[in-house]
Amino acid sequence: DVVMTQSPLSLPVTLGQPASISCRSSQGFVHSDGNTYLNWFQQRPGQSPRRLIYKVSNRDSGVPDRFSGSGSGTDFTLKISRVEAEDVGIYYCMQGAQWPWTFGQGTKVEIK
Amino acid sequence: QVQLVESGGGVVQPGSSLRLSCAASGFSFSTYAMHWVRRAPDKGLECVSLISSDEKDIYYADSVKGRFTISRDKSKNTLYLEMNSLRVDDTAVYYCARDQKGSIDYWGQGVLVAVSS
Repeated sequence: DVVMTQSPLSLPVTLGQPASISCRSSQGFVHSDGNTYLNWFQQRPGQSPRRLIYKVSNRDSGVPDRFSGSGSGTDFTLKISRVEAEDVGIYYCMQGAQWPWTFGQGTKVEIK
Repeated sequence: QVQLVESGGGVVQPGSSLRLSCAASGFSFSTYAMHWVRRAPDKGLECVSLISSDEKDIYYADSVKGRFTISRDKSKNTLYLEMNSLRVDDTAVYYCARDQKGSIDYWGQGVLVAVSS
């Protein structure tokens, strides 16, 4: 299985300041179709997960442009340019190229 | 709009069986692969099972293989997860989710399955 490792697991941030979450995979997972299916999800307290980013850097409709994804190979990053109160929650990376699809452990973002 | 509504959860004893349902609406259910994903208490997310749109491809996590069965009824726009020989470590919120090649684009609200003696 492809193991996804996130860091940090806890991220206290000041409102208006940037935040960055790292996601590293145990192996590369480029799909046979040439795509890197690396996704980022946000799970707010009491809610279902919501996709933010797909295929490394594509932002979903309705996702604020302060969220951005980047990376390649085995090293990926989710950045929030200016954290807002509504960004509190747990963030997960997930690879969807090889079954079983696997998630990172989750990074809990909270406001300082 | 896309809606996924799970039902069938509850509190059961170890060794019991349970069937989860997911009623889908707002999209062409028969043309999408579908997932069950779970989140155990104080743990992360785990992909439990995946069924292709034509039901020809079915996958399970090793942790549930041989005990869980995924299925779908296109006439009812409903996804199922039959869970047998439930264990304490199957306790989780189970989400029904829509596949978008290599990704998941919509999630249900989740249903709680608690396995306890």
